[in-house]
Amino acid sequence: AQSVAQPEDQVNVAEGNPLTVKCTYSVSGNPYLFWYVQYPNRGLQFLLKYITGDNLVKGSYGFEAEFNKSQTSFHLKKPSALVSDSALYFCAVIRGRSASKIIFGSGTRLSIRP
Amino acid sequence: DTAVSQTPKYLVTQMGNDKSIKCEQNLGHDTMYWYKQDSKKFLKIMFSYNNKELIINETVPNRFSPKSPDKAHLNLHINSLELGDSAVYFCASSYQGAGTEAFFGQGTRLTVV
Repeated sequence: AQSVAQPEDQVNVAEGNPLTVKCTYSVSGNPYLFWYVQYPNRGLQFLLKYITGDNLVKGSYGFEAEFNKSQTSFHLKKPSALVSDSALYFCAVIRGRSASKIIFGSGTRLSIRP
Repeated sequence: DTAVSQTPKYLVTQMGNDKSIKCEQNLGHDTMYWYKQDSKKFLKIMFSYNNKELIINETVPNRFSPKSPDKAHLNLHINSLELGDSAVYFCASSYQGAGTEAFFGQGTRLTVV
């Protein structure tokens, strides 16, 4: 079955430091992988996706993610964290040939301290 | 203009009542979804519709009935509400196709007392 795992419930980083939010996936066939962010009392916002091509994908707000097929990972990264990056981050995978089912990981709460 | 809008934003009701949540998208998408986010922030898909046709029903109790009058609307009706139905419900939409991202509404916080 298609699934994604986010091994960390919480990640704490000092402002200005690089951040990484981890995600591993389990899919049959080629994975379609996504990152979304949820700010308090808001819906999810799309950050970036990997479909095919370059393993390093860039997204909104300076975030990027690296697709690693051998490690079945799709970690979210940012070179320099901002306090405003504090939010809940979800990794997701598409299940099926259409977009009919998006499976989300359990979420990682990112906290950036000033 | 709000891309995916849900109403109401908050809903407090008593056990046993029937309630509806409305969702509309103005993005021209052909696929719409309902997700449930529990108190631990875990997101689970409930339903998926494509061009008004039910595609996915993820073992949701029969008390939950989605209705899609057209491809821009996907409403969620819940009968005989239970305490365990308390959660945040998100509507979302996307184009059909595995590589497309979804756009989410701001959520409806349902509290059953």
